[in-house]
Amino acid sequence: GQSLEQPSEVTAVEGAIVQINCTYQTSGFYGLSWYQQHDGGAPTFLSYNALDGLEETGRFSSFLSRSDSYGYLLLQELQMKDSASYFCAVRDQGGTYKYIFGTGTRLKVLA
Amino acid sequence: NAGVTQTPKFQVLKTGQSMTLQCAQDMNHNSMYWYRQDPGMGLRLIYYSASEGTTDKGEVPNGYNVSRLNKREFSLRLESAAPSQTSVYFCASSGGERGVYEQYFGPGTRLTVT
Repeated sequence: GQSLEQPSEVTAVEGAIVQINCTYQTSGFYGLSWYQQHDGGAPTFLSYNALDGLEETGRFSSFLSRSDSYGYLLLQELQMKDSASYFCAVRDQGGTYKYIFGTGTRLKVLA
Repeated sequence: NAGVTQTPKFQVLKTGQSMTLQCAQDMNHNSMYWYRQDPGMGLRLIYYSASEGTTDKGEVPNGYNVSRLNKREFSLRLESAAPSQTSVYFCASSGGERGVYEQYFGPGTRLTVT
């Protein structure tokens, strides 16, 4: 089957840079997405990588290496408001619209 | 432009009761989804609708039914609620240039089954 692995928790200080990793096992690969979810809130889309390399969106960047079945989300100039859970997600081999989420990484930003 | 809306926001049911969760989107998206999220977990797909008139099972469909009422609305029904269905339910839609890879989520329904 398909699976996604993320670290359960990451802690960093305000102003620092943090990397959240995601490794996946899929029989077919169609792209990796990242979502942010604050406690009690809904997931919001951050980034999507279809091809190898780095995608940058402001303070957030996402990287993909298809040969290594690996991606990461990079958060720069951390702010307290970045404390949230971050999920990677891939399309399921079973269908175009089936989407699988990782179990999430809880990021704590310390002052 | 409200995005994706869900009702109700909170619900408490007794075991065996039924209810319908409502979802609507105003972004003219073709595809809609229902997920559940248990504490400390990722989201799991219950059902999805690739386009108006079609619905398909996701990862955890047992105990649920769905209806794609029109392009805007996608409802989720629990026929006989069980404590194992206590969860937060999110509706989502997609239809932009990134398709399924960029989903927009509603605020969620927090359901407790006693």
